[in-house]
Amino acid sequence: GNSVTQMEGPVTLSEEAFLTINCTYTATGYPSLFWYVQYPGEGLQLLLKATKADDKGSNKGFEATYRKETTSFHLEKGSVQVSDSAVYFCALSVQTGANNLFFGTGTRLTVIP
Amino acid sequence: NAGVMQNPRHLVRRRGQEARLRCSPMKGHSHVYWYRQLPEEGLKFMVYLQKENIIDESGMPKERFSAEFPKEGPSILRIQQVVRGDSAAYFCASSPPGQEGLHEQYFGPGTRLTVT
Repeated sequence: GNSVTQMEGPVTLSEEAFLTINCTYTATGYPSLFWYVQYPGEGLQLLLKATKADDKGSNKGFEATYRKETTSFHLEKGSVQVSDSAVYFCALSVQTGANNLFFGTGTRLTVIP
Repeated sequence: NAGVMQNPRHLVRRRGQEARLRCSPMKGHSHVYWYRQLPEEGLKFMVYLQKENIIDESGMPKERFSAEFPKEGPSILRIQQVVRGDSAAYFCASSPPGQEGLHEQYFGPGTRLTVT
């Protein structure tokens, strides 16, 4: 089936620290991969995406590379800020007619000054 | 362009009552998706609708839950005879026509349902 396994949180980092949130997946077809972010009291926002193997998605200093050989899509940022505090969700969709997203459980990140 | 709107943001119902959750998609979007997030879990797909049609309801519980997206007005997720296990955050997402291959969905802020 289709599923996403995400690094458990919560994660607490000091400002300017390096961030990695691990995400691995299983998929019945060829998936597209996404990272969504949810700030307190708000809906999910698309952070970045990758639609084929070896693609790198990037946005706001965050990056993730689609690794088919390891079925992974780890999120990284070189220097986090307090404003990055949020919940991060890894997700996939399979391009075989289904339209729904499969989500991981989310990782709560807190960045302290 | 306003984002996806959901109301109410918080809803409290007693066991046995009905809950109606509303979702207005982004302007120009004709596809609506509903997801449920139980405490400490990820979002789970429930149903995918286009105007006046249910396309995929494979994630909907077979009883008490229904969804519609009429020609005019918001999409409605209806839960009849609520039970405590229905307490969750319900998120709506929308996408424009022709985006099926990209699967890029825009999410609303969610409705947090509490059943007492």
